[in-house]
Amino acid sequence: ILNVEQSPQSLHVQEGDSTNFTCSFPSSNFYALHWYRWETAKSPEALFVMTLNGDEKKKGRISATLNTKEGYSYLYIKGSQPEDSATYLCALGINSGNTPLVFGKGTRLSVIA
Amino acid sequence: GAGVSQSPRYKVAKRGQDVALRCDPISGHVSLFWYQQALGQGPEFLTYFQNEAQLDKSGLPSDRFFAERPEGSVSTLKIQRTQQEDSAVYLCASSRGLSYNEQFFGPGTRLTVL
Repeated sequence: ILNVEQSPQSLHVQEGDSTNFTCSFPSSNFYALHWYRWETAKSPEALFVMTLNGDEKKKGRISATLNTKEGYSYLYIKGSQPEDSATYLCALGINSGNTPLVFGKGTRLSVIA
Repeated sequence: GAGVSQSPRYKVAKRGQDVALRCDPISGHVSLFWYQQALGQGPEFLTYFQNEAQLDKSGLPSDRFFAERPEGSVSTLKIQRTQQEDSAVYLCASSRGLSYNEQFFGPGTRLTVL
């Protein structure tokens, strides 16, 4: 069974703090790594798709890095804001095209004003 | 443009009742996926379609679960004789089916079985 691990499970930070969390996966089963942000009562929103070792992607205050050789990805949020409060899901695509994603359990982030 | 929509958003069912959950994918997306997210877990794959063909249903937990997409657009996930362990959020996603398989998700249907 393919296992995607995310840590920490939950996180509380003060507004303005920077934070990061981890997604680890078996390096032998990899095609693409997806990050999603899921706010309560809304649709999961795609943040990044990464495929190449060493990839770094950035969207505003959020960025992500990928290490396929050791099997991990980091998501960073700079200067957290209350609107960043959400569950951040990492998902592994093991093949190209039409294949299901394998998700971690997510990291629940709460940003306190 | 319109995203993926799901209905109902919330469903409460009595144990033993049949339920039907609907997914309207993004227009033109050939692939459609169903996932189940139980409390405290990540989304887990149930089944997927390419157009009207159900290519993989290996994630369906029992024969009480059935999914269809008869015209290659709207999909319905049906659960017969619901049990308490079926309580979960059911997510639908669609994609163009291109490389990297970026999937666009609906808001989910939260099913509670009493």
